[in-house]
Amino acid sequence: EAGVTQFPSHSVIEKGQTVTLRCDPISGHDNLYWYRRVMGKEIKFLLHFVKESKQDESGMPNNRFLAERTGGTYSTLKVQPAELEDSGVYFCASSQVTIYGYTFGSGTRLTVV
Amino acid sequence: GNSVTQMEGPVTLSEEAFLTINCTYTATGYPSLFWYVQYPGEGLQLLLKATKADDKGSNKGFEATYRKETTSFHLEKGSVQVSDSAVYFCALGTQGGSEKLVFGKGTKLTVNP
Repeated sequence: EAGVTQFPSHSVIEKGQTVTLRCDPISGHDNLYWYRRVMGKEIKFLLHFVKESKQDESGMPNNRFLAERTGGTYSTLKVQPAELEDSGVYFCASSQVTIYGYTFGSGTRLTVV
Repeated sequence: GNSVTQMEGPVTLSEEAFLTINCTYTATGYPSLFWYVQYPGEGLQLLLKATKADDKGSNKGFEATYRKETTSFHLEKGSVQVSDSAVYFCALGTQGGSEKLVFGKGTKLTVNP
């Protein structure tokens, strides 16, 4: 089966611009997660979708971040406007039922200059 | 709250050396514990897991034992190879609700021939 796909793999934008990251989960996986790793720090949970519904968005840092999952398939994470501290690697993961089945994508490296 | 502390890197070893990467955790309840690995240019991959006290997870020659009394889940390998060079992340999984993962900061391992 195809894995979790994320694009772009890299993005360099200027402070104040908007960036949209996309994640295509494994087909049939209802659970979709977003995580991010800021340079040198832990990978931190951002939010969790079950199908198209947000199950838990407690990790979203502020209202500049907006995640959507229309139709319960792919998901987008928009950062608007981007700030320098948003730089990092954004990971997406999906699973069918339980936490044991997590599959991560390769991540999107976002650099805000 | 839940947290994971793992040894700071980077760690540099010669091929066939013994590897230990320490990981301790703080959690309420009975979490599941994981080691993830990120090879250069790739996404996070589940290396091994343990779901209850005294369980031993193992894969590709790596092992880790869930020690409730010391709240630890140290990663070990008896003889590392150059191909083991990667970043290793210890993580715990919380049950119920979003089933999100809490990660340590990661330990970069470099194995020289």
